[in-house]
Amino acid sequence: ETGVTQTPRHLVMGMTNKKSLKCEQHLGHNAMYWYKQSAKKPLELMFVYSLEERVENNSVPSRFSPECPNSSHLFLHLHTLQPEDSALYLCASSQDWGQLYNEQFFGPGTRLTVL
Amino acid sequence: DQQVKQNSPSLSVQEGRISILNCDYTNSMFDYFLWYKKYPAEGPTFLISISSIKDKNEDGRFTVFLNKSAKHLSLHIVPSQPGDSAVYFCAATTNTGKLIFGQGTTLQVKP
Repeated sequence: ETGVTQTPRHLVMGMTNKKSLKCEQHLGHNAMYWYKQSAKKPLELMFVYSLEERVENNSVPSRFSPECPNSSHLFLHLHTLQPEDSALYLCASSQDWGQLYNEQFFGPGTRLTVL
Repeated sequence: DQQVKQNSPSLSVQEGRISILNCDYTNSMFDYFLWYKKYPAEGPTFLISISSIKDKNEDGRFTVFLNKSAKHLSLHIVPSQPGDSAVYFCAATTNTGKLIFGQGTTLQVKP
């Protein structure tokens, strides 16, 4: 596997379910990101981890809980979501956090539907 | 308040012609601008970037122009090819490294 991978690619869950999204990067990067993309809206940054430490939390509801066990893996734990949380969730990585020339590499995303 | 705006949700051009995608921003602190391209069922991929100290950057068929006084940038694709059909996102950043994205423009290049 190369680049940034995400599993599952599609997920349908009920509002009372608990599920997790997984992201893995094979690029040796130190920073990882979760974004949300809703229809017709810009990508919204949710969380940033740098060297496994959370450095950014963009006022995301607590029903979204990130976890970064090591610099290659990032999880997004989902619990009691709402239908409006249905969106494409994208993971990305970059060499470092907090630098101007900061190309981010994205995974293919998980298409989440909350019923 | 949206700091990066792409006011055209879609654009259709004929193969071989020029495609011009536009992006406006409001934050004068932005120092670096990027364009990403996204195909269906794939994540965005980096296309081209420009620093605020430049007004033009060229890479093959792709050229990005920056007009700081107007807080406007544009992406030119010449000549356009059917494989260029995708969603194009403009993004901007300050020295925090945090990317602020526009809402995207869907480009369709007709054979």
